[in-house]
Amino acid sequence: DSGVTQTPKHLITATGQRVTLRCSPRSGDLSVYWYQQSLDQGLQFLIQYYNGEERAKGNILERFSAQQFPDLHSELNLSSLELGDSALYFCASSVGEGLVWETQYFGPGTRLLVL
Amino acid sequence: AQSVTQLDSQVPVFEEAPVELRCNYSSSVSVYLFWYVQYPNQGLQLLLKYLSGSTLVKGINGFEAEFNKSQTSFHLRKPSVHISDTAEYFCAVSLSFSGGYNKLIFGAGTRLAVHP
Repeated sequence: DSGVTQTPKHLITATGQRVTLRCSPRSGDLSVYWYQQSLDQGLQFLIQYYNGEERAKGNILERFSAQQFPDLHSELNLSSLELGDSALYFCASSVGEGLVWETQYFGPGTRLLVL
Repeated sequence: AQSVTQLDSQVPVFEEAPVELRCNYSSSVSVYLFWYVQYPNQGLQLLLKYLSGSTLVKGINGFEAEFNKSQTSFHLRKPSVHISDTAEYFCAVSLSFSGGYNKLIFGAGTRLAVHP
């Protein structure tokens, strides 16, 4: 158990809908990262938040957004969902601002299925 | 471009046999390397990491990896595998980008299948 929690574990929704994925980092960790894992794209970094502020951005679509709250939990919002958004979404956390040598600890993931 | 290549998408092996999962990276700067394991229907778990120092890194569950700068490789090894090692293994490199931020770049993964 990494100490990172994600809810829900599974989510089934329809095209065009909006969903929110939630992540709680390990106790004491200040950074939260979001990743998307799909069969064709592999593990792709989406976005990082550090202590409430956006720190780094990866291959995140404009339909997707995230935020980190004062209690450090984070939410990933996915809107206007398409079939291709079906994937496993991981959250990870690290202790600092994401220095190059920091270890990221991953949650169990949320499996999203868009029908 | 900086990237990570895992040379084998699948590696079948018999129980108690040795295994090597290959990983090559491309980077012109200092690298920090990680191996993660993903068991079926679970998240990623850190196996080991190389930050600096000894090029032979020992991790959990009997795994070890060797950093080879000249060959830009970070291969993962285990002398004797168990059925429970069946999983997907990801090599990753942590890189700095202009703008002062860092990213963890993952390879495509190697599926290790241990057979009795």
